[in-house]
Amino acid sequence: DGGITQSPKYLFRKEGQNVTLSCEQNLNHDAMYWYRQDPGQGLRLIYYSQIVNDFQKGDIAEGYSVSREKKESFPLTVTSAQKNPTAFYLCASSMLRGRSNQPQHFGDGTRLSIL
Amino acid sequence: GQQVMQIPQYQHVQEGEDFTTYCNSSTTLSNIQWYKQRPGGHPVFLIQLVKSGEVKKQKRLTFQFGEAKKNSSLHITATQTTDVGTYFCAGPSNTNTGNQFYFGTGTSLTVIP
Repeated sequence: DGGITQSPKYLFRKEGQNVTLSCEQNLNHDAMYWYRQDPGQGLRLIYYSQIVNDFQKGDIAEGYSVSREKKESFPLTVTSAQKNPTAFYLCASSMLRGRSNQPQHFGDGTRLSIL
Repeated sequence: GQQVMQIPQYQHVQEGEDFTTYCNSSTTLSNIQWYKQRPGGHPVFLIQLVKSGEVKKQKRLTFQFGEAKKNSSLHITATQTTDVGTYFCAGPSNTNTGNQFYFGTGTSLTVIP
């Protein structure tokens, strides 16, 4: 089945530690996204990428970093500079068709907590 | 900055009652998407509206895009317990250089059996 796989499902971070969240898709989608969701709130865009080796900051990129070395993969690193990392992280992907907006397909998410 | 607001934030209804959530944008939108997120799950795409005044139906769900393309609504007729979840609208970025969307804050629907 085609889809988006996020791992791990749960992750715990110690003070001063960087952690990396994995996101892989086999939908052959060009665009990939990372969102942060806090309890009772909507989705806020962290980073997105439309093509391999290129990515753009979203609204809350500070304290996060990404890479897009392969079309299928878009890992997110939560650095020690992110002082409030506890949240639900969602990865998504979509096709790109010119200026026509396409539906986003989401993974099951990773819940990150501070130890 | 660009904002997409949703009301209400929470809604509790008795099973069989109707439900409506409203989405308002500070800017004109070229289109709007709606997603549903079940408790503990991830958002799932429901529909996209593109035309001014457009109305689309999916069984008991009716989606509407405002004439000015700055607001949208989702109406559920005769709610069922399977309708439980958070409903998000999402509007594209003003720059629209790619497929970047701004998600509303969502409306969490609880259906009481």
